[in-house]
Amino acid sequence: KQEVTQIPAALSVPEGENLVLNCSFTDSAIYNLQWFRQDPGKGLTSLLLIQSSQREQTSGRLNASLDKSSGRSTLYIAASQPGDSATYLCAVRGDSGGSYIPTFGRGTSLIVHP
Amino acid sequence: NAGVTQTPKFQVLKTGQSMTLQCAQDMNHNSMYWYRQDPGMGLRLIYYSASEGTTDKGEVPNGYNVSRLNKREFSLRLESAAPSQTSVYFCASSDGSGYGYTFGSGTRLTVV
Repeated sequence: KQEVTQIPAALSVPEGENLVLNCSFTDSAIYNLQWFRQDPGKGLTSLLLIQSSQREQTSGRLNASLDKSSGRSTLYIAASQPGDSATYLCAVRGDSGGSYIPTFGRGTSLIVHP
Repeated sequence: NAGVTQTPKFQVLKTGQSMTLQCAQDMNHNSMYWYRQDPGMGLRLIYYSASEGTTDKGEVPNGYNVSRLNKREFSLRLESAAPSQTSVYFCASSDGSGYGYTFGSGTRLTVV
């Protein structure tokens, strides 16, 4: 059974810092990995999707990398801003048995203070 | 706006009451999902529908039923609500071809 772990569970940084959020998974037979952002009381917003054949994806100040062999993905946020404060979740979609059900990590709660 | 629409956004039920949460997507996605999110527990899959006409249990299906009414709509029913079902419920959809998942804005349900 796929297990997804996100470390750290919480992070507080001053504005302007570059930071890295981690997502690790136990089964490397994945189809893709998706990073989401969730603001308090809101739904999940997709940030980046990395297919299993890709190594990284970029969108603005966000860069997500994928290393299937080591079972890891990182979300890099450059020049963090208070508006980046949210919970960030990763979801791993399997590639076996025809199952496309994603497994979610529990998220990293990020606070960026001015 | 294209996406996943959930209704209602908020609901308070008394123990034993029933209700149906509605979900509709306009992206022509084949697969739809219902999750619940609780503090400290993360997102847990209740039921999913891989395609129109099929539904399957997820991790926490007890106390719930679902209906895939058509390709657009996937409803979640609580037949006899219990306080343990107090949660935030999210509907999601995907097209099954690797383009990821789209989530609705959620239904915050309180059972008293």
